Amino acid sequence: DTEVTQTPKHLVMGMTNKKSLKCEQHMGHRAMYWYKQKAKKPPELMFVYSYEKLSINESVPSRFSPECPNSSLLNLHLHALQPEDSALYLCASSQDRGTLLTQYFGPGTRLLVL
Amino acid sequence: GENVGLHLPTLSVQEGDNSIINCAYSNSASDYFIWYKQESGKGPQFIIDIRSNMDKRQGQRVTVLLNKTVKHLSLQIAATQPGDSAVYFCAENTGNQFYFGTGTSLTVIP
Repeated sequence: DTEVTQTPKHLVMGMTNKKSLKCEQHMGHRAMYWYKQKAKKPPELMFVYSYEKLSINESVPSRFSPECPNSSLLNLHLHALQPEDSALYLCASSQDRGTLLTQYFGPGTRLLVL
Repeated sequence: GENVGLHLPTLSVQEGDNSIINCAYSNSASDYFIWYKQESGKGPQFIIDIRSNMDKRQGQRVTVLLNKTVKHLSLQIAATQPGDSAVYFCAENTGNQFYFGTGTSLTVIP
């Protein structure tokens, strides 16, 4: 099983709303990732969690707040977003951080900020 | 970030023909490469990978070639089908980081 699941599939929110994106994997992977992808562009890394600890934050604005409650779950809390934050948000996982390790992606959450 | 680029942003092929998608990378220390397929509205799907100690790897209808001398990676799809229409990304693994290329949009003409 190489499945990463994400909820919701679609999300529309206003700039004053607070919402959360959820990601789950049951492959026993210890590294999980959040990416942002704009249309016709490659995924851009936002955050990396390794063994439930944040190991990389790619200078992401504080209106995005990641959380890793346990080794299977990864959340992304959203608050006071801007219209330019509208994008596909992808979660991925890998067995561990490091080299020679495949990242498996979820289907993404399509976010629209009004 | 690292420079992982694709030579052609779009590619159109006739159904049944072979497709070749190219990717250039700049870091000679990269030791692992992956090709992903991303269909419209979906997340990237793993297709095939190759380690730097190999120069060719074959899967089902797909072959990845790695030329370390010129830092070039290619994905060959045999007998291209309409279901192969998607954006294809190469990804380069250097140390703990993954770097994605800009993507090539493949359109299969029935």
